Amino acid sequence: SQTIHQWPATLVQPVGSPLSLECTVEGTSNPNLYWYRQAAGRGLQLLFYSVGIGQISSEVPQNLSASRPQDRQFILSSKKLLLSDSGFYLCAWSVRENQPQHFGDGTRLSIL
Amino acid sequence: TQLLEQSPQFLSIQEGENLTVYCNSSSVFSSLQWYRQEPGEGPVLLVTVVTGGEVKKLKRLTFQFGDARKDSSLHITAAQPGDTGLYLCAGYNNDMRFGAGTRLTVKP
Repeated sequence: SQTIHQWPATLVQPVGSPLSLECTVEGTSNPNLYWYRQAAGRGLQLLFYSVGIGQISSEVPQNLSASRPQDRQFILSSKKLLLSDSGFYLCAWSVRENQPQHFGDGTRLSIL
Repeated sequence: TQLLEQSPQFLSIQEGENLTVYCNSSSVFSSLQWYRQEPGEGPVLLVTVVTGGEVKKLKRLTFQFGDARKDSSLHITAAQPGDTGLYLCAGYNNDMRFGAGTRLTVKP
């Protein structure tokens, strides 16, 4: 069966520090991969999605970037974190764009 | 960009009560999903509906897709404290979009 792993579960970082959040999927090949940020009471905001290695689409221009160095690995990064980057970050995968997405357990990021 | 409106935003009920939450849009979706999310965790897929008028049941949960495939409802019978969580709907129409969710609290 397919599984998705996301880490770390929680992270506290100072303003201006770099960020790297990692997500890996097991049990499937060539999945679509997604990064979301979830703010309280505001649902899921799609940040990036990828349909293949090295292929990244950005939905919202901001302080973050994403990379897909391997088929089942998706990384969310920042060179310098802002206070506004605080939030709950979720990684997800799907077989195809029109198929249901399956989520990791999320990373709670707090910027101090 | 199609919007998915979920209502109510918050719902607090006593154990044993029935409830219905709604997911509405002006767009037609080829499929619609419902998820439940607990605090500190990712959303978990409950069901996918694809046919207008389709009804699916998952134990005490009944999901219905509108005839025009623009809306959906989730009905819970005899709610239990374990049903507490954030219920999200998501619809696909050229891309996948999520509603803001209904936060359900079931008090014992």
